[in-house]
Amino acid sequence: AQSVAQPEDQVNVAEGNPLTVKCTYSVSGNPYLFWYVQYPNRGLQFLLKYITGDNLVKGSYGFEAEFNKSQTSFHLKKPSALVSDSALYFCAVRSGGYQKVTFGTGTKLQVIP
Amino acid sequence: DTGVSQNPRHKITKRGQNVTFRCDPISEHNRLYWYRQTLGQGPEFLTYFQNEAQLEKSRLLSDRFSAERPKGSFSTLEIQRTEQGDSAMYLCASSFSRVGTNEKLFFGSGTQLSVL
Repeated sequence: AQSVAQPEDQVNVAEGNPLTVKCTYSVSGNPYLFWYVQYPNRGLQFLLKYITGDNLVKGSYGFEAEFNKSQTSFHLKKPSALVSDSALYFCAVRSGGYQKVTFGTGTKLQVIP
Repeated sequence: DTGVSQNPRHKITKRGQNVTFRCDPISEHNRLYWYRQTLGQGPEFLTYFQNEAQLEKSRLLSDRFSAERPKGSFSTLEIQRTEQGDSAMYLCASSFSRVGTNEKLFFGSGTQLSVL
């Protein structure tokens, strides 16, 4: 079985400050990890993915994520938050042998002007 | 790239009625997924197709649910004898996959089902 945990329902950060949205995962075998973002009244959009290689992955809109195998984590980060980053963020995982992608429950990011 | 299209955007039905949703994936995408999302939850996997073959179904998908993808193009998801617990956003996603690649999913805007 594979699962994802996003421990924070909501994260508040001031505009211009760095942000972190946390994610931990459980999977058999090598994980394929993803972050998606959902803006109000819009579909889910891909942000970034980790498959192999460098533990720091860069994605869209200045976001990056750090893969930590020992802590089974894949936290999403951005050096300087924008008000327009306010949205719902989902971490997702799948194992190498399956195509089913399992999503977390989501974290609402609120960037305060 | 016209994106993943889902119809209808909203569906209101009475308990016990049948409903059918349609998903048109991005044209060159060979994989198609159905997910269900309720308020405050992440998308829950329902089923997935590789071309026209349905390769995996979630245990969430009861006998009242059926999905098809004839000719490996558009897909339909039918729910028979709807129940109030079926009320949710039904999401379709597609991707292009070949051996050695690990694709990202492209999601449609979803069909919001309300069962009264």
